[in-house]
Amino acid sequence: NAGVMQNPRHLVRRRGQEARLRCSPMKGHSHVYWYRQLPEEGLKFMVYLQKENIIDESGMPKERFSAEFPKEGPSILRIQQVVRGDSAAYFCASSPPNTGQYEQYFGPGTRLTVT
Amino acid sequence: GNSVTQMEGPVTLSEEAFLTINCTYTATGYPSLFWYVQYPGEGLQLLLKATKADDKGSNKGFEATYRKETTSFHLEKGSVQVSDSAVYFCALTLTNTGNQFYFGTGTSLTVIP
Repeated sequence: NAGVMQNPRHLVRRRGQEARLRCSPMKGHSHVYWYRQLPEEGLKFMVYLQKENIIDESGMPKERFSAEFPKEGPSILRIQQVVRGDSAAYFCASSPPNTGQYEQYFGPGTRLTVT
Repeated sequence: GNSVTQMEGPVTLSEEAFLTINCTYTATGYPSLFWYVQYPGEGLQLLLKATKADDKGSNKGFEATYRKETTSFHLEKGSVQVSDSAVYFCALTLTNTGNQFYFGTGTSLTVIP
């Protein structure tokens, strides 16, 4: 069973460009979470999605950031008009539905560098 | 609010030394507690967990006990190996927060031969 897949692993964007980060959850998992890790900091929750629904986006910046998890295909975290402060590692995690176990399985992360 | 505080690193130990990484938490409800490990260039891997007070999570020689009275979940290992070198994250989750995790800032451990 393949783990959580994220791509690209490294992404370089110039200020003002768009960044698209992809996450494929583990097989059978229908819950996806995105976290951001700034240098020298822990992971901070951004958004929690289920198929075609955003459940909790309380950690998402109000502007330029959006996330989706379509019925088919990977979850996408989109950052428009990137700025240097967006440089970070972005981790995706997934969990199976209704297990009550609360475990989340993490991908290897995408390291975004804004120049 | 909900938060996790863990001891700052980096921590450098000799092989076979005893390891303790402190972790304390604040929570608005009854949390489940976790330790995750991150090896260089990789994602986080679940190391161990505990879901109620006095539970002891253990895995690969690591263990941590859920102490409600001191709101702590300290990670310990009796004899570390070079292969344990990694960053360790303490985390909590609550059922009423949509299962989001709250992470500490991480503690970097380097074990030297």
